Amino acid sequence: TQLLEQSPQFLSIQEGENLTVYCNSSSVFSSLQWYRQEPGEGPVLLVTVVTGGEVKKLKRLTFQFGDARKDSSLHITAAQPGDTGLYLCAGAKQTSGSRLTFGEGTQLTVNP
Amino acid sequence: SAVISQKPSRDICQRGTSLTIQCQVDSQVTMMFWYRQQPGQSLTLIATANQGSEATYESGFVIDKFPISRPNLTFSTLTVSNMSPEDSSIYLCSALSGVTEAFFGQGTRLTVV
Repeated sequence: TQLLEQSPQFLSIQEGENLTVYCNSSSVFSSLQWYRQEPGEGPVLLVTVVTGGEVKKLKRLTFQFGDARKDSSLHITAAQPGDTGLYLCAGAKQTSGSRLTFGEGTQLTVNP
Repeated sequence: SAVISQKPSRDICQRGTSLTIQCQVDSQVTMMFWYRQQPGQSLTLIATANQGSEATYESGFVIDKFPISRPNLTFSTLTVSNMSPEDSSIYLCSALSGVTEAFFGQGTRLTVV
């Protein structure tokens, strides 16, 4: 059973379009991170959200943590080819120590 | 943040042999982890590398197959033993900065033939 359900799994869009990636769980997380990974590289941390209802913005990326801290979303405005990559959400639970639970990932392709 | 150097970046190995992957962090970190990843897919935690004691393995992973060392707070190794084609994967080293923010090496792409 996957604790973090991430959707969609694949997304191919044109440059300039908007998109949203979702990360859902039935479990409560103490914090949630979003990572982006490019081929041949390790995941790179984009943001950490810790408070229910929290919204963080990173240029054209907007991250939201659900009020109940069970879900999160990543919204990209006016996507660019440089946004192409594998997006991963990862949750931390107090009962799991420092171990992270990763979602299945969303492979985003932005076509010029 | 932490900068993690992992090597080798890729290797092609014969079945039945073993490969040791090294992970060097540029600063002392409390927690280090080893993951496995199929290209384009999620990460699966292999084990937590504990400094000065035996690693803590996740379900489905055992020490005989994936021995791990962590002699100090900045270095760890993962060995993939007696390799078979099913071990072909990307292996990633990770370290925690802060409570839960993880930083990763660039990964080791292993192909077993």
